[in-house]
Amino acid sequence: SQELEQSPQSLIVQEGKNLTINCTSSKTLYGLYWYKQKYGEGLIFLMMLQKGGEEKSHEKITAKLDEKKQQSSLHITASQPSHAGIYLCGADVPPNYGGSQGNLIFGKGTKLSVKP
Amino acid sequence: SAVISQKPSRDICQRGTSLTIQCQVDSQVTMMFWYRQQPGQSLTLIATANQGSEATYESGFVIDKFPISRPNLTFSTLTVSNMSPEDSSIYLCSVRFRDRPNYGYTFGSGTRLTVV
Repeated sequence: SQELEQSPQSLIVQEGKNLTINCTSSKTLYGLYWYKQKYGEGLIFLMMLQKGGEEKSHEKITAKLDEKKQQSSLHITASQPSHAGIYLCGADVPPNYGGSQGNLIFGKGTKLSVKP
Repeated sequence: SAVISQKPSRDICQRGTSLTIQCQVDSQVTMMFWYRQQPGQSLTLIATANQGSEATYESGFVIDKFPISRPNLTFSTLTVSNMSPEDSSIYLCSVRFRDRPNYGYTFGSGTRLTVV
């Protein structure tokens, strides 16, 4: 079965600093999604990556998918307290998985705290 | 923007009782997904709800414990039956809008359940 490993598990940064969160898959990624979750709440969709080498940015957040489509990184520039939360990567269930298609497998998340 | 309304947002329930969680989507979707997020853990798929057929449950989840209804293409409910403290989790519904690829998988705001 496919597994997603996120690193680091938690991160504390000073406001204004840059940071990177990684998501590594045990198998080829067919679709990689980044979400943000505030404590006890639902998931906010950030970005979706599908092609090897793809990179997308939204405001101060940039996500990349490596050429081999087994690793993705999420980079935040000049972090702010509003960036605090849990960042989750999710992957499309691959073909022939044997389980339900159309849903996501998730990593365990990276908890980000930003100190003012 | 795509909207999923999930309720209740939180509840505290007595052991042995049942709670029904509702998920309303602002447009028709074929599949709706129900996830569980146990404290400090990532999301785990419970089942996929298809309109007009029985839900498909993932390994470790059974219909007697988590009955699901899907009466139409915009609505679904998940019931957590005969609850125990181990059922204390955040429960989330999710859909994918195929005609809105930039939205990825959209999630409800979650139901935070505490069983005492």
